[in-house]
Amino acid sequence: DVKVTQSSRYLVKRTGEKVFLECVQDMDHENMFWYRQDPGLGLRLIYFSYDVKMKEKGDIPEGYSVSREKKERFSLILESASTNQTSMYLCASSTNTEAFFGQGTRLTVV
Amino acid sequence: AQTVTQSQPEMSVQEAETVTLSCTYDTSESDYYLFWYKQPPSRQMILVIRQEAYKQQNATENRFSVNFQKAAKSFSLKISDSQLGDAAMYFCAYPDVFSGAGSYQLTFGKGTKLSVIP
Repeated sequence: DVKVTQSSRYLVKRTGEKVFLECVQDMDHENMFWYRQDPGLGLRLIYFSYDVKMKEKGDIPEGYSVSREKKERFSLILESASTNQTSMYLCASSTNTEAFFGQGTRLTVV
Repeated sequence: AQTVTQSQPEMSVQEAETVTLSCTYDTSESDYYLFWYKQPPSRQMILVIRQEAYKQQNATENRFSVNFQKAAKSFSLKISDSQLGDAAMYFCAYPDVFSGAGSYQLTFGKGTKLSVIP
């Protein structure tokens, strides 16, 4: 079974903190994604990566950065967390025909 | 970026009945995939069904089937014999090709929340 693992299920951080969300996949997929999910807005793409050290901005990259130093790991970084970044964050990895998702990280910024 | 539209934010269905969830998309491509994903309350998103645009036959997976109308850019999901476990958010998705590397990014609709009434 393909497994995509996100490091935390729930996180509470303070405004201004630097936050790292980690994602690891075990299927040697080249493509990895970070989405943000908010009620009524669906899933919005923050960043994606199609290879090690390669990254592309999605629809809402402002306030975020990413890192992909190894093929299996894709990290989302909130440089200075703000309350409007309180959300559910979903990581995914994919082949050309299917995407596999992690369980999600519920981030609350207070 | 392409757009994916799900016009039904919420729907409900009686157990054992049939329900159809709607999705339309916009693309200029001729060959592509389309996906329906399910997100149960536990939040793990899973693939329900996949359609290849060049195939005329509608995809079917057990109780789940699609009605794919390529000219109309419509891709609806039909759930037959609905079960309590079908209650979830359902997302339609289109892979927007990122030509720079031959890969793609998935564009999702806003989702339809399906409730199943016992």
